[in-house]
Amino acid sequence: DTAVSQTPKYLVTQMGNDKSIKCEQNLGHDTMYWYKQDSKKFLKIMFSYNNKELIINETVPNRFSPKSPDKAHLNLHINSLELGDSAVYFCASSQDPYSSYNEQFFGPGTRLTVL
Amino acid sequence: TQLLEQSPQFLSIQEGENLTVYCNSSSVFSSLQWYRQEPGEGPVLLVTVVTGGEVKKLKRLTFQFGDARKDSSLHITAAQPGDTGLYLCAGPTYNAGNNRKLIWGLGTSLAVNP
Repeated sequence: DTAVSQTPKYLVTQMGNDKSIKCEQNLGHDTMYWYKQDSKKFLKIMFSYNNKELIINETVPNRFSPKSPDKAHLNLHINSLELGDSAVYFCASSQDPYSSYNEQFFGPGTRLTVL
Repeated sequence: TQLLEQSPQFLSIQEGENLTVYCNSSSVFSSLQWYRQEPGEGPVLLVTVVTGGEVKKLKRLTFQFGDARKDSSLHITAAQPGDTGLYLCAGPTYNAGNNRKLIWGLGTSLAVNP
């Protein structure tokens, strides 16, 4: 029973296309995140939602639009894909981001390749 | 800007050897976390350290938080191939809206050869 799931696992697409990645968590957490991990393995937060409300938006281009239809789901839509968008995108969730012991649970990642 | 620097970046050792990896910053953190990421998967939390000077043990892994809460180390005793992975440290910070987020080090990629 997967805690945080993402689809698709792999996404290969042409420059200029629009694509979406979906994420679901069954942990009952209030907070969800999108991260981008580049080829050097650097993990950088993009967005965070708490109870469907956007609370963190880290200077990500407007081409990226997250949507949280409910607490358990966080989707990421990307318009006009560029070569530099190629990376692994991780969804994560946590219960209380303000606790020192807050644990983030990650999905398996979506490897996006833009050709 | 708070940064977390990890060293070494890459480490390849033989099974049974001991190793230590480091996570350093010029900033004080209220806590630091260590995660392990295996190929094709997301990071998984290993430990959270909160108190300066704290030492936590997880089987063959020993984690230490520096007295000044600016650095942390991870020591693995008698490494096994199953320890292979990317070890990431992360610490909390706040954005302009006072929302808490994690910043991450670049990681240490460990390969333990049989």
